[in-house]
Amino acid sequence: DTEVTQTPKHLVMGMTNKKSLKCEQHMGHRAMYWYKQKAKKPPELMFVYSYEKLSINESVPSRFSPECPNSSLLNLHLHALQPEDSALYLCASSQGLLGPSGSALSYEQYFGPGTRLTVT
Amino acid sequence: AQSVAQPEDQVNVAEGNPLTVKCTYSVSGNPYLFWYVQYPNRGLQFLLKYITGDNLVKGSYGFEAEFNKSQTSFHLKKPSALVSDSALYFCAVRDTDFKAAGNKLTFGGGTRVLVKP
Repeated sequence: DTEVTQTPKHLVMGMTNKKSLKCEQHMGHRAMYWYKQKAKKPPELMFVYSYEKLSINESVPSRFSPECPNSSLLNLHLHALQPEDSALYLCASSQGLLGPSGSALSYEQYFGPGTRLTVT
Repeated sequence: AQSVAQPEDQVNVAEGNPLTVKCTYSVSGNPYLFWYVQYPNRGLQFLLKYITGDNLVKGSYGFEAEFNKSQTSFHLKKPSALVSDSALYFCAVRDTDFKAAGNKLTFGGGTRVLVKP
């Protein structure tokens, strides 16, 4: 099973709302990612979790708050978003994200279908 | 720093004809190279990767890619395109030099493929 699931599929929220995006994988992967994708553009990395610890934060505004409750789940909490935050939010996972040995760098990432977010 | 270029925004091809999507890369060390495909309103699907060894890599759905170190290229190919291959294709690279890569995957800008019946 190479499936990453994301809920909800679509989300419309106002600028004062608080909402959360959820991502789940049951492949035993230990690295999980959040990406933001604008139309017809490549995905932009937001956060990386390795073994349930935040490994990379690409200088994302604090109105986006990631959480990794366990090795299978990844959440993205949203608060006080702006209209320009409207995008497709993609979750991905990979087998591992190890250090300078480099071997894990060859692992491909598996993506979920995404959550289409509209901020009004 | 690592980077990827996909020089064509769109590729048009007739069904049954060969399909090529171009990708060139730049890394400090040696590259790990990946191809992904994205259908409308969907996430990215992994097609194939080059790690080491044979320069011709075979992947899903009849796609293959050729790694050329001297030209720093990793072009995606399919001998006979199908209408259902119409999608957005992304090339991605990760530098094997950990200090340069920082565990990040860098994507190209994407190439839209349109296969006409």
